[in-house]
Amino acid sequence: DAGVTQSPTHLIKTRGQHVTLRCSPISGHKSVSWYQQVLGQGPQFIFQYYEKEERGRGNFPDRFSARQFPNYSSELNVNALLLGDSALYLCASSASTGSGRETQYFGPGTRLLVL
Amino acid sequence: QKEVEQNSGPLSVPEGAIASLNCTYSDRGSQSFFWYRQYSGKSPELIMFIYSNGDKEDGRFTAQLNKASQYVSLLIRDSQPSDSATYLCAVPSGSARQLTFGSGTQLTVLP
Repeated sequence: DAGVTQSPTHLIKTRGQHVTLRCSPISGHKSVSWYQQVLGQGPQFIFQYYEKEERGRGNFPDRFSARQFPNYSSELNVNALLLGDSALYLCASSASTGSGRETQYFGPGTRLLVL
Repeated sequence: QKEVEQNSGPLSVPEGAIASLNCTYSDRGSQSFFWYRQYSGKSPELIMFIYSNGDKEDGRFTAQLNKASQYVSLLIRDSQPSDSATYLCAVPSGSARQLTFGSGTQLTVLP
């Protein structure tokens, strides 16, 4: 069975540009979460979607947005890129959400470099 | 105080030894705890989860939870060089029960 897939794997952008990252969850999983991981730190929560509805949002500026599609895949959009947005962007899927006991499985990530 | 704290290391142990990784958390209401392993340049991979006080064993890995002390640990027995990685402790929090991660402990197992 395929795990969580993300595209693209690597991306180089310049300041001020826009980027769209994509994620497909494990088959049967309805929840997708996005995390940002900068070098030397643990992943930081950005968004969670379940059944196409936003269930949670982390402490990120409005330049960050996301959505989930009917097939449960998801997109993360970042506008007006800053140098500080350079990071590994991780997508995680889980079967459900809310209880705190759901296991989240991570995709391989998209490494974004902003020049 | 950070919600989830880990010693950043680096922690070095000889091959065959027991590696002990520690994590403390601030929310007394936390009910579940996850350990992820992350190799350099890769994404986090789930190793274990634990919900109840006490020990949970899976192969060479043992997770230990002490809710009274707000402390969770991961023991790796018979450490191998392939265990060299960063180990992340994560606790569900917030309205979406999203994972809050510690900064990770870098483990090196010396041959």
